Amino acid sequence: EAQVTQNPRYLITVTGKKLTVTCSQNMNHEYMSWYRQDPGLGLRQIYYSMNVEVTDKGDVPEGYKVSRKEKRNFPLILESPSPNQTSLYFCASKGLSGANVLTFGAGSRLTVL
Amino acid sequence: KQEVTQIPAALSVPEGENLVLNCSFTDSAIYNLQWFRQDPGKGLTSLLLIQSSQREQTSGRLNASLDKSSGRSTLYIAASQPGDSATYLCAVRAGSYIPTFGRGTSLIVHP
Repeated sequence: EAQVTQNPRYLITVTGKKLTVTCSQNMNHEYMSWYRQDPGLGLRQIYYSMNVEVTDKGDVPEGYKVSRKEKRNFPLILESPSPNQTSLYFCASKGLSGANVLTFGAGSRLTVL
Repeated sequence: KQEVTQIPAALSVPEGENLVLNCSFTDSAIYNLQWFRQDPGKGLTSLLLIQSSQREQTSGRLNASLDKSSGRSTLYIAASQPGDSATYLCAVRAGSYIPTFGRGTSLIVHP
């Protein structure tokens, strides 16, 4: 089944403890992206990648890192999480053809205490 | 910079009504527009994708139209059901590959 898989789905952590949210897609998509969703603010893009070893900042990149060493994986790294990073995170991917739809993962709910 | 606005922000209707959700965008030079559905706390599910050369797309009780010149798209839901209750988002892709999202319309269909 074609899908975007995120892990973990739920995580509670403490301030300053490094964490990684993984994202993997099995559709051979070039484009991958991370979003956070907060009440009243909608979806905001954190980082995106157009292909392997190519990453760019989105609208809210502060406090996050990403890497794209393989086409299928696009992990989101929080080196030193803070409470304002408590949010619902989504990974998405898309082929570069115009006919491809943007496909989302199920989401990862992160709470930073 | 592309801006995408969805009106209304929230909508509550009785079952059976036909609904129109609106999405407007500021830069009409778009590549395509995609409508999504999101259930509370869940991921986004793609409903319809309209290419810039198309005027509308249909899937079951859903019909999405696109008018590039006026910077608008509408999602029409026929004979609404309680199971249609969700947030509906539109995303507009312009020159880059990066889509711009609206903030969504939260729909409640009550029995």
